[in-house]
Amino acid sequence: DGGITQSPKYLFRKEGQNVTLSCEQNLNHDAMYWYRQDPGQGLRLIYYSQIVNDFQKGDIAEGYSVSREKKESFPLTVTSAQKNPTAFYLCASSHLLDRTTEAFFGQGTRLTVV
Amino acid sequence: GQQVMQIPQYQHVQEGEDFTTYCNSSTTLSNIQWYKQRPGGHPVFLIQLVKSGEVKKQKRLTFQFGEAKKNSSLHITATQTTDVGTYFCAGPRSGGYQKVTFGTGTKLQVIP
Repeated sequence: DGGITQSPKYLFRKEGQNVTLSCEQNLNHDAMYWYRQDPGQGLRLIYYSQIVNDFQKGDIAEGYSVSREKKESFPLTVTSAQKNPTAFYLCASSHLLDRTTEAFFGQGTRLTVV
Repeated sequence: GQQVMQIPQYQHVQEGEDFTTYCNSSTTLSNIQWYKQRPGGHPVFLIQLVKSGEVKKQKRLTFQFGEAKKNSSLHITATQTTDVGTYFCAGPRSGGYQKVTFGTGTKLQVIP
């Protein structure tokens, strides 16, 4: 089945530790995105990538890093510099905006930092 | 920067009542999308509108794109408990790399 997979679904980490969230898609989408969602809030863009080996900061990139070494994969690292990392993280992918722009989301990763 | 606001933020309705959420952008949008996120779930694409004044229907859901392409609405007729969730509009930003800005969302509760 084609889709976008995030892992793990739940993640617990101690304060001060870096943690990497996985995102893989087999939809052959060029664009991939990471969003953060806090309780009762909308989606805020962290990073996005339109092509392998290239990515751009979104609105809240501080304390996060990404890589795009393969078209299928777009992992997100939450670093110790992120002051309030506990949140629901959503990865998405889509074709580029000169084609249909429907975004497909993964199931999300709930990160809790204690 | 571009802002996409939705109103209301929350809405409680009795099952069978109608529901409408409004989406307003500070800039003109080339297209607008609507997503639904069930409690505890992830956003799922509902529809995309492209043309000025466009109206599309999906069963009990009616989507409209404003003439100026800066606002949109989602109307649900005769709500059901399965309609519970948060509805987001989303629009692409312009300039260089294109990215999507999501609205603030409207959380719908349906009382049986």
